[in-house]
Amino acid sequence: GENVEQHPSTLSVQEGDSAVIKCTYSDSASNYFPWYKQELGKRPQLIIDIRSNVGEKKDQRIAVTLNKTAKHFSLHITETQPEDSAVYFCAASGSGTYKYIFGTGTRLKVLA
Amino acid sequence: AAGVIQSPRHLIKEKRETATLKCYPIPRHDTVYWYQQGPGQDPQFLISFYEKMQSDKGSIPDRFSAQQFSDYHSELNMSSLELGDSALYFCASSPGLAGETYEQYFGPGTRLTVT
Repeated sequence: GENVEQHPSTLSVQEGDSAVIKCTYSDSASNYFPWYKQELGKRPQLIIDIRSNVGEKKDQRIAVTLNKTAKHFSLHITETQPEDSAVYFCAASGSGTYKYIFGTGTRLKVLA
Repeated sequence: AAGVIQSPRHLIKEKRETATLKCYPIPRHDTVYWYQQGPGQDPQFLISFYEKMQSDKGSIPDRFSAQQFSDYHSELNMSSLELGDSALYFCASSPGLAGETYEQYFGPGTRLTVT
């Protein structure tokens, strides 16, 4: 069935360093890949997304890369700040009715 | 800007009781998705509706049912509640135009506690 693997499950970085989170999806029909940030007890908030016809997208300190051949996509956060600390979820969508299949999440801690 | 509205925000029920969760999508969004998120877990897709018709079904127990009404709001009905149903339930909406994948906008969630 459809599956999205996400690594690492936890990530600690020093403030100012970069963080990279990687996801792999199984359904080759997926064509939309959002990344969500979720704080404890709150709703997931979209931080960046990428469609399958694009290899890379950047928005200030956040970038996402997509390798369709390998079915990999990654989130890159540069110059991390303590307020970046949260759980990050990748997701894949586009097969059939566009539901999201989420990765298992990465708990990012930015140490001041 | 208007966001997705969910009610109630918190709900406490006992085992074997029923619960109804409501979702009001962003105006002009015709697609609604329901997700269940257990503690420390990723959101799991339950069910979706497009133009008032069920469009997809995920890991939704037979004890649960849902529908989308003529004003596009949706309700998730949960019966014979079990302790394991305790979770955050998110509703998300999107424009859902056929042939395209759009960003889903999540509501604040309903925290259901079954005791």
